[in-house]
Amino acid sequence: EAGVAQSPRYKIIEKRQSVAFWCNPISGHATLYWYQQILGQGPKLLIQFQNNGVVDDSQLPKDRFSAERLKGVDSTLKIQPAKLEDSAVYLCASSLVSGLNSPLHFGNGTRLTVT
Amino acid sequence: GQNIDQPTEMTATEGAIVQINCTYQTSGFNGLFWYQQHAGEAPTFLSYNVLDGLEEKGRFSSFLSRSKGYSYLLLKELQMKDSASYLCAVSPRQGNLIFGKGTKLSVKP
Repeated sequence: EAGVAQSPRYKIIEKRQSVAFWCNPISGHATLYWYQQILGQGPKLLIQFQNNGVVDDSQLPKDRFSAERLKGVDSTLKIQPAKLEDSAVYLCASSLVSGLNSPLHFGNGTRLTVT
Repeated sequence: GQNIDQPTEMTATEGAIVQINCTYQTSGFNGLFWYQQHAGEAPTFLSYNVLDGLEEKGRFSSFLSRSKGYSYLLLKELQMKDSASYLCAVSPRQGNLIFGKGTKLSVKP
């Protein structure tokens, strides 16, 4: 089966600019996650979708970050305006169901550098 | 609060056995996962424990003690390709996953 697709692979922007990331989960996976992974740390959950509804966005900095999952398939994550501390890898993951034995499948991520 | 601790780095020799420990304190518990992450790549699923005891999967085994808030990942017959970061992740509630900072394992010849 095809894996989780993300684009772009790399992005360099200046602070205060905006940026958007795209994710296409594995076909049939209802749950979609966006994680932020800062160098040397583990992934931190930003937002979780179940189909096209938000399940958890408690750690999403809503003053600058937004995400949507129209039609319950693809998702986009936007940062506007970006700050230096937003430099990280943004990982998208999906799972078949939001359940105990359903591991997350990760995409290769988008590496964002804010200068 | 939620807290997951694991060693930052470990070094082991090819062919040896290594144990990576993880301790956790979370508001709830619905399972513990281990993921492997090679540099510049996505994390990949290794193992899952929800009940106490040992789960074996080839060269990799994972152990859980819920009363102690403790897990370990055991890697046997180490190979050079096992050099990677190993992430311990706890699900405090269904569908939610909190990751530790990861343990960077270096396998030497």
